[in-house]
Amino acid sequence: KNEVEQSPQNLTAQEGEFITINCSYSVGISALHWLQQHPGGGIVSLFMLSSGKKKHGRLIATINIQEKHSSLHITASHPRDSAVYICAVDLQGHGNKLVFGAGTILRVKS
Amino acid sequence: NAGVTQTPKFQVLKTGQSMTLQCAQDMNHEYMSWYRQDPGMGLRLIHYSVGAGITDQGEVPNGYNVSRSTTEDFPLRLLSAAPSQTSVYFCASSYSGQGALGYGYTFGSGTRLTVV
Repeated sequence: KNEVEQSPQNLTAQEGEFITINCSYSVGISALHWLQQHPGGGIVSLFMLSSGKKKHGRLIATINIQEKHSSLHITASHPRDSAVYICAVDLQGHGNKLVFGAGTILRVKS
Repeated sequence: NAGVTQTPKFQVLKTGQSMTLQCAQDMNHEYMSWYRQDPGMGLRLIHYSVGAGITDQGEVPNGYNVSRSTTEDFPLRLLSAAPSQTSVYFCASSYSGQGALGYGYTFGSGTRLTVV
């Protein structure tokens, strides 16, 4: 079983829809990251969370440390949000060692 | 522009050839790392460094060497390329340790390597 599991693997939405991507992990962590990767492109860090909730524009990330679960929400989705969204965790006690989920492929249709 | 610079962007190697993937950052980050990204596997840590002169192995280190002689540079060496090393490679950097909480990672744009 992977230490970081994401769901769904693939997601297709209509423009304007509210989108949720989930991440569950089975290890102790010091922080959780949400990353975005456009097709053929580099990787951009969206959020780094150790507790609670963060918001940036139309993106919201939450984490529940007790339940070992995080969600990434996109409000009023747009075709330019189409990308792979990756959840990654910093392993507790291992400094900066990242373990990644397999990613969620999001397609937003106009 | 500040950030992580990876070169080359694309490379084709023959089996058995050696090469070095370059990674440089200008943000004075202590931590640097190399990952490979394979379809269906997600990103996996190859090697990492928490400062100049200090390196350590990640999840998939076999076939790769690294060194960290300066804070800015963290090259990844393939000593004898194999088809199994065909992948997209990403370098990343950040501030180091627990004091880095609140800071994220900066990734390079990637190197697409094909070994034939």
